[in-house]
Parts: sequence; C-alpha cells; structure tokens
Amino acid sequence: GAVVSQHPSWVICKSGTSVKIECRSLDFQATTMFWYRQFPKQSLMLMATSNEGSKATYEQGVEKDKFLINHASLTLSTLTVTSAHPEDSSFYICSASPLATAGETQYFGPGTRLLVL
Amino acid sequence: AQRVTQPEKLLSVFKGAPVELKCNYSYSGSPELFWYVQYSRQRLQLLLRHISRESIKGFTADLNKGETSFHLKKPFAQEEDSAMYYCALNPSNTGKLIFGQGTTLQVKP
Repeated sequence: GAVVSQHPSWVICKSGTSVKIECRSLDFQATTMFWYRQFPKQSLMLMATSNEGSKATYEQGVEKDKFLINHASLTLSTLTVTSAHPEDSSFYICSASPLATAGETQYFGPGTRLLVL
Repeated sequence: AQRVTQPEKLLSVFKGAPVELKCNYSYSGSPELFWYVQYSRQRLQLLLRHISRESIKGFTADLNKGETSFHLKKPFAQEEDSAMYYCALNPSNTGKLIFGQGTTLQVKP
C-alpha cells in the first residue's frame, strides 16, 4: 500500500531556531502534498498545499515566510518552521496525493511533534 | 462558509450496540465527503468516501443532501472500532480537506 513517512517524528528546539520537517511518499509519486497542523484535542487544520515544481499555496492566516515549504521532487516535500516560538509547538501532519488523483486520494504521514522551548 | 461539524466529542457504547457518529457539513456546491479513522498511536487513514458507496469494516455512511449530513453507522460495534473518527469535506475536488473536530468512539466490552 501507499506509505508516507515523516522525519523527524518529534523534535525539541530552542526559541528562535529553525526546524525542518520532511515528508516523503515511499512507494508512489505525488504531485501534491498537503501540510496540516493539529493542536492538542483539536482537529487538523490545513496550512498549505505543496505542488511539485511550483510555489506552495497557503491557507488564510498562515504566514508563508514563517512556514517555508519546498516540494523539490515528486516524493519529497519539506516544511521549515523559521524562527520558531513556543506558540509554534504543535503536531504537524503531511499527506500526499498520488499522481492523477487530483487530491481525491490522500495518504497521511504519521506526524511530527514539535516542541519549542 | 465551508464547514464540517461533528457534534459529539466522545461516543461511548457497549460491544454489540449500534453506533452512529454524526457529521454535518456546510457547503454550497456538490460535496465530496470522507470518513477518516485514527487508531491509537497510528496515522490517519481513510475509512470510506461517499462516492464509492462501500462498506468498510461494517461501517456505512449515506450522504443526505437535504439534511447536509454524512453520518457514519455500524449496526454492531466491536472493541477494535475504538478510535478517533474524523469527517472531512473536499471542496471543489481540490484535495484541501476540511476536517470536523473529530469524535472519539469508545467501545466497551
């Protein structure tokens, strides 16, 4: 089956530093990957849509300079949280949509837990 | 506004009892709706989608456009059904899923 991995699974960093999270589709190619954020006991909120070879599109209220997204290949998207602050602490989840499914089918990664001290 | 509402945070039933997890949506177009499930310590995975009209693990969900609902049902709950369930809307087939708040289903022995 289609598998999506995320690395790291958890990270602790100091305030002001940047953190990079990788999302990989292991056995399929994905033109589109999605990044979600989940606060404790809350639902997933879409942050941005990552398209291979083009700029990411961000949802309203998400700072693109704060959350840098790069989708350099059909199997890898990265989310970089720049100058992280404690309020950025959250659970970040990516999903990947196989080619030709137009986003209808999404496979989710296991998530990355970020704690900013 | 596009929105998905799951009114129950927690639903607790005994094994063998019927289950209905409620989901209501707000969307002006033709909706594409999904149910996702997240078992303990596992990733989110698709349970079913309305367009396929299938039954997965005994669960079914019918789209009711009049009531703007997509409730998830199972006639006889099993302990292994205990998990978090999310209803999601895919507006305009963009893939930009809008999730409900989630309902924790607890099936007691």
